Amino acid sequence: RKEVEQDPGPFNVPEGATVAFNCTYSNSASQSFFWYRQDCRKEPKLLMSVYSSGNEDGRFTAQLNRASQYISLLIRDSKLSDSATYLCVVNIVEEYGNKLVFGAGTILRVKS
Amino acid sequence: ETGVTQSPTHLIKTRGQQVTLRCSSQSGHNTVSWYQQALGQGPQFIFQYYREEENGRGNFPPRFSGLQFPNYSSELNVNALELDDSALYLCASSLGWGASTEAFFGQGTRLTVV
Repeated sequence: RKEVEQDPGPFNVPEGATVAFNCTYSNSASQSFFWYRQDCRKEPKLLMSVYSSGNEDGRFTAQLNRASQYISLLIRDSKLSDSATYLCVVNIVEEYGNKLVFGAGTILRVKS
Repeated sequence: ETGVTQSPTHLIKTRGQQVTLRCSSQSGHNTVSWYQQALGQGPQFIFQYYREEENGRGNFPPRFSGLQFPNYSSELNVNALELDDSALYLCASSLGWGASTEAFFGQGTRLTVV
């Protein structure tokens, strides 16, 4: 079983649609959680951190459920520029360092 | 721009050869992590260096090795290249490490092994 699992998609949605991505993780020692965005052939870029209380940044809302080991990302009013791969990431902190564990990514294509 | 630069941006090597990839971390950052991203997959953690010492390693064989220099720049070395080593190699720098540390990624080096 992969440590972080995501629906690979692709999600093909029209402009203005609301789309939701889900992610589950298996390592209960995961300490922090993120969504990254990756454009084709580019490096991942931090979209937002995810907290149990839920957090919102403009059109983006992220939610964490530690009990279910589940992370979500909601994008409202989709724009063409939102087309990208969205990576669910957990941060595992060990005694001497930390590592980011990435899901395989969910592809979003927003069409006009 | 994250201030993290990697070189070269693209590289083609032959199976069995050795390769060195370089990463210049963001100013003031003392921690560098390396990741391998195969096509269609998420990045996989290779190892992390903190103040010139390796302080964490993922599930990669010993032919993947690294260094961090006093200026906190870093190298990733891969010996005896295999076709499956073809991937995007990403480095990420941060100030320290921990639960709330933000990592900043370089643009990556795309390695093709033929």
